[in-house]
Amino acid sequence: NAGVMQNPRHLVRRRGQEARLRCSPMKGHSHVYWYRQLPEEGLKFMVYLQKENIIDESGMPKERFSAEFPKEGPSILRIQQVVRGDSAAYFCASSPLDTEAFFGQGTRLTVV
Amino acid sequence: KNEVEQSPQNLTAQEGEFITINCSYSVGISALHWLQQHPGGGIVSLFMLSSGKKKHGRLIATINIQEKHSSLHITASHPRDSAVYICAVANQFYFGTGTSLTVIP
Repeated sequence: NAGVMQNPRHLVRRRGQEARLRCSPMKGHSHVYWYRQLPEEGLKFMVYLQKENIIDESGMPKERFSAEFPKEGPSILRIQQVVRGDSAAYFCASSPLDTEAFFGQGTRLTVV
Repeated sequence: KNEVEQSPQNLTAQEGEFITINCSYSVGISALHWLQQHPGGGIVSLFMLSSGKKKHGRLIATINIQEKHSSLHITASHPRDSAVYICAVANQFYFGTGTSLTVIP
């Protein structure tokens, strides 16, 4: 059983481009969480999803950010029209129920 | 005020020392998590606990729900324990800012 897989590990985007971050949860896990870690800062919750549903998106910026977890395939965190302030490490975690979550290795987004 | 407060922010210890990291929180929770983040950024979940005490190897985590406080202890610390330790509550919606631990040989 592979762990939580995030790709890409590193992503460079120019200002104004779109960034798509993928998270494949562990097998059997139906809960996915996305977090952002800005440079020199702590982890911040962004969004909590179950299959085909957004459960809590209170940590998501109101504009340019969206997330989905379709019935088939990975969860996607999408950032439109990226700006330099979006540069951060984005972590995904998954869990089978409302229990302990397992983290992916993260995607390090750099906006140039 | 942050929902989760950790102390100390930075900690340097000699190899073999007993280490304690503290976490206090202000929100109601069903469980608290301790996470470890190594240089290079990968995050590992160490414990999830809702009461009492859990032990895994040289790591021990305790929680007092009434006092809204948890501690992470490391016995016989080793340089490979050097990492950032993070406390998280409420389904990992709230995080402490982390405790950066350096264990010197």
